[in-house]
Amino acid sequence: EDQVTQSPEALRLQEGESSSLNCSYTVSGLRGLFWYRQDPGKGPEFLFTLYSAGEEKEKERLKATLTKKESFLHITAPKPEDSATYLCAVQHGGTGFQKLVFGTGTRLLVSP
Amino acid sequence: DTEVTQTPKHLVMGMTNKKSLKCEQHMGHRAMYWYKQKAKKPPELMFVYSYEKLSINESVPSRFSPECPNSSLLNLHLHALQPEDSALYLCASSPSGGGAGNTIYFGEGSWLTVV
Repeated sequence: EDQVTQSPEALRLQEGESSSLNCSYTVSGLRGLFWYRQDPGKGPEFLFTLYSAGEEKEKERLKATLTKKESFLHITAPKPEDSATYLCAVQHGGTGFQKLVFGTGTRLLVSP
Repeated sequence: DTEVTQTPKHLVMGMTNKKSLKCEQHMGHRAMYWYKQKAKKPPELMFVYSYEKLSINESVPSRFSPECPNSSLLNLHLHALQPEDSALYLCASSPSGGGAGNTIYFGEGSWLTVV
């Protein structure tokens, strides 16, 4: 069965304390793995797309990496404004390019 | 800022009302989506329009009726909803209906409360 699992469910960091969020997946024929950031009461904001194992992408304090079984979202020296829920989602051969299978998200809180 | 615009941002409706949610994108995308999101849950796909034709209906009750008047506009018509339909309704769009690089971009959402 297709599964996307994110861990931890919630993470509290001090400002400047780097950490990583995990997204593990068991799908056949990965076509794309997506990271989104969602602030309370708002729609998900696109961050990164990763297509193949070994791929890495960076944006400001965020860096996303991909292996054959999981993706990591590394947050370097986070600031309070990085507090949000981070969602991972995959597109795969079983569902095509129009369906996203979402994980349940990691709620990140960064304290000053 | 998102380039997928949704109106209204908030809607309160009675169970016998008829209302509509509207969505617009000007990125030239050819696929548009409706998602439903409950509190502390990930978004759930409802409908997909690809090149203005309904391509996916995730067994959504008929009290939700989608419409795609043209490639830039997407509506969701609501009728005889139940209180459990209260949620954040998200519109999204993507460049095409298939192929690599089909990143899906979301709007800010419409908060719906059914009383």
